[in-house]
Amino acid sequence: DTEVTQTPKHLVMGMTNKKSLKCEQHMGHRAMYWYKQKAKKPPELMFVYSYEKLSINESVPSRFSPECPNSSLLNLHLHALQPEDSALYLCASSGTATDTQYFGPGTRLTVL
Amino acid sequence: DQQVKQNSPSLSVQEGRISILNCDYTNSMFDYFLWYKKYPAEGPTFLISISSIKDKNEDGRFTVFLNKSAKHLSLHIVPSQPGDSAVYFCAAFNFGNEKLTFGTGTRLTIIP
Repeated sequence: DTEVTQTPKHLVMGMTNKKSLKCEQHMGHRAMYWYKQKAKKPPELMFVYSYEKLSINESVPSRFSPECPNSSLLNLHLHALQPEDSALYLCASSGTATDTQYFGPGTRLTVL
Repeated sequence: DQQVKQNSPSLSVQEGRISILNCDYTNSMFDYFLWYKKYPAEGPTFLISISSIKDKNEDGRFTVFLNKSAKHLSLHIVPSQPGDSAVYFCAAFNFGNEKLTFGTGTRLTIIP
């Protein structure tokens, strides 16, 4: 089983809203990731958690705040986003930070 | 600086024939390479990978070839099926910085 789940599937929010994206995996993976993908572009890495600790932050603006409450869950808290933040947000997990990454279905975010 | 490139944005292949997707990279420090398949509004699905110490890996209809001296890899799909129509991303992983770098993607269309 290589399933990574993400909720919600779609999200529309205003620039003053606060919302959260959720990601879950039950494969016992100890590394989890957030990627952002704009249309016709490859996924871009945002954050990496390894053993529930933030190991990589790709200079992402502070309006994106990741959280890893436990080894199965990864959240991305959103606040004061801009319209250009509209994208597909992908979560991935891997056994460890050097193993093959498996992706969730993504959350399609639209910022109005 | 695009370290992983897929120079063909699109490719059309007749059903039953061989599909060959190409990928070039510039960083000789990559340790392994992967191919992902992506349908619209879904997350990338892992297909096949190859270590930098190998030159070929095969899994069913999918074969990946790596030419380290040319910094080139290719994915062969044979026979091609209509369900193979999707965007294919090659990706490269570096153990040193533990980052997965995606190529720009190739849209494959299988013509019935």
